[in-house]
Amino acid sequence: RKEVEQDPGPFNVPEGATVAFNCTYSNSASQSFFWYRQDCRKEPKLLMSVYSSGNEDGRFTAQLNRASQYISLLIRDSKLSDSATYLCVVRSEGGTSYGKLTFGQGTILTVHP
Amino acid sequence: GAGVSQTPSNKVTEKGKYVELRCDPISGHTALYWYRQSLGQGPEFLIYFQGTGAADDSGLPNDRFFAVRPEGSVSTLKIQRTERGDSAVYLCASSLTFRDSQGGYTFGSGTRLTVV
Repeated sequence: RKEVEQDPGPFNVPEGATVAFNCTYSNSASQSFFWYRQDCRKEPKLLMSVYSSGNEDGRFTAQLNRASQYISLLIRDSKLSDSATYLCVVRSEGGTSYGKLTFGQGTILTVHP
Repeated sequence: GAGVSQTPSNKVTEKGKYVELRCDPISGHTALYWYRQSLGQGPEFLIYFQGTGAADDSGLPNDRFFAVRPEGSVSTLKIQRTERGDSAVYLCASSLTFRDSQGGYTFGSGTRLTVV
């Protein structure tokens, strides 16, 4: 089983739609969580951190459920420019792997007019 | 520099050859990470450095892969006897320290390695 699992999609949605991505992780040790965005043939860039209480950044909302080891990302009012691959990322916080990022496979989102 | 710089941006090499990939991190960043990304997959951890030393090299796939960071700044990933399966984008990232609580590591634009 992969450490971080995501539905690879693709998700094809019209502009203005709301779309949600889910992610599960297998390592229950204390960790940090992030969503990265990656455009085609570009490097991953941090979209937002994910906090236990949930957090929002404009049209983006991230949620974390530690008991279920589940992370989500909600995008409201989708824009054409949101088309990208969204990577669920877990960071190790202990031992020799401190700071190591483990990425999910990524979920492809295409927003169409 | 302003960002993480990786060279070359593209490298085509013949099977069996030796290649070196370079990463120049953001000035002052002590933590440096190497990842490998195959088509349709997320980046896969290879190795990370804290200063000059490799703090965790558990992701290196085999002994054909080696990385150095002799002066705690620029790092070189070395691949011996390249195989077609080594073809991927090799990404480098840096952060201020390996305990950076922000978690948002800055990635370079990567080196696309193609082994033919």
